Amino acid sequence: AQSVTQLDSQVPVFEEAPVELRCNYSSSVSVYLFWYVQYPNQGLQLLLKYLSGSTLVKGINGFEAEFNKSQTSFHLRKPSVHISDTAEYFCAVSDPSGYSTLTFGKGTMLLVSP
Amino acid sequence: GAGVSQSPSNKVTEKGKDVELRCDPISGHTALYWYRQSLGQGLEFLIYFQGNSAPDKSGLPSDRFSAERTGGSVSTLTIQRTQQEDSAVYLCASSPDREAFFGQGTRLTVV
Repeated sequence: AQSVTQLDSQVPVFEEAPVELRCNYSSSVSVYLFWYVQYPNQGLQLLLKYLSGSTLVKGINGFEAEFNKSQTSFHLRKPSVHISDTAEYFCAVSDPSGYSTLTFGKGTMLLVSP
Repeated sequence: GAGVSQSPSNKVTEKGKDVELRCDPISGHTALYWYRQSLGQGLEFLIYFQGNSAPDKSGLPSDRFSAERTGGSVSTLTIQRTQQEDSAVYLCASSPDREAFFGQGTRLTVV
């Protein structure tokens, strides 16, 4: 069974500072990895995904993530955050086989202050 | 184009009543998921439909919960004899392959 651990429930950061949101997964097989963002009172929106190929994945809004197979991690980074990045961020994993659910972590609330 | 549509957006019901939550997926998407989001609990998987395969119901928390997907399109999540602990946001997502597209959710409040 797959599982996802997001090590921080909340990350406070000042505007224009860099940020890293951590995600580790547990799986005995190869995986697909995703980061989703949820703004208040909205559904989830895909930020970026890793399916194969380059381990450095670039997404929307200036975010990027790096797949590290040896450390089973997929940390999300942004070099300079904005107030508007305040939201909850979810890491998710899926099995590449044809029939697989998406398993989510518990989420990390990013709080950007001026 | 149209995204995933969920209705109602908000539902207040009395304890013990049955409720039905509807999800209209993106046309052509073969996979459909239901998740439950409670405060501080992240996203809890409920059920997964993929094409004509038997659904994965392993996440349904009790036999009061059921879901169906008619014609490979619209899905309905039914909760019978609602309890206060069923209060949550119920999210539906559809997918053409791996990337899931989420609806805005239905906020269910059981009073």
